[in-house]
Amino acid sequence: QSVLTQPPSVSGAPGQRVTISCTGSSSNIGAGYDVHWYQQLPGTAPKLLIYGNNNRPSGVPDRFSGSKSGTSASLAITGLQPEDEADYYCQSYDIILNGVFGGGTKLTVL
Amino acid sequence: QLQLQESGPGLVKPSETLSLTCSVSGASVADSTLYWGWIRQPPGKGLEWVGSIYYSGTTYHNPSLKSRVTISVDTSKNQFSLNLRSVTAADTAVYYCARSNSRVLPVARFDPWGQGTLVTVSS
Repeated sequence: QSVLTQPPSVSGAPGQRVTISCTGSSSNIGAGYDVHWYQQLPGTAPKLLIYGNNNRPSGVPDRFSGSKSGTSASLAITGLQPEDEADYYCQSYDIILNGVFGGGTKLTVL
Repeated sequence: QLQLQESGPGLVKPSETLSLTCSVSGASVADSTLYWGWIRQPPGKGLEWVGSIYYSGTTYHNPSLKSRVTISVDTSKNQFSLNLRSVTAADTAVYYCARSNSRVLPVARFDPWGQGTLVTVSS
């Protein structure tokens, strides 16, 4: 099991809004460490999507947003598009384990 | 533009040592504001942080890998390397190198990533 818990899959129709949760603990997210999100398209390396809980790197559409509260974080995607179909991973720092990732969530655009 | 490129054998025998190098262009591994990391992904599975290194040679690694991991940096070649000893089939994965944007934490956001290299452990 991954230290950060994500739902294995989510789905939505084009144009809809979906959210992906990332649940941690008091030794990582709950300790105040930032959460970062990555998008991995099939057969490619992960790409930074959201950093520092809610910041978008240059070039990432504002349809993608992040939030954090307590021991959890969320990634929201609005105006879902077919090209958003990918795997999404959250990541944070853990006091004991150092680097931790979520198990990943497969987004299907119906 | 910063780019990272992994290189190394694609096939390693069980019990032997997996050795990979990450060549960095467009930035210096001696930059004191950065860490550099290794992340792996077994086929069909999720991401796992392997370890990180600072330009000074200070390293951090995933406790689950125990003492099998060694990460080193060569500032003269602008590279950093991963050695994983006593490998088994469970170490079969795509191995990525990446920049970790922090001078404080050994594991911050990873950006950018190399393209990854598949290493298969098999006799």
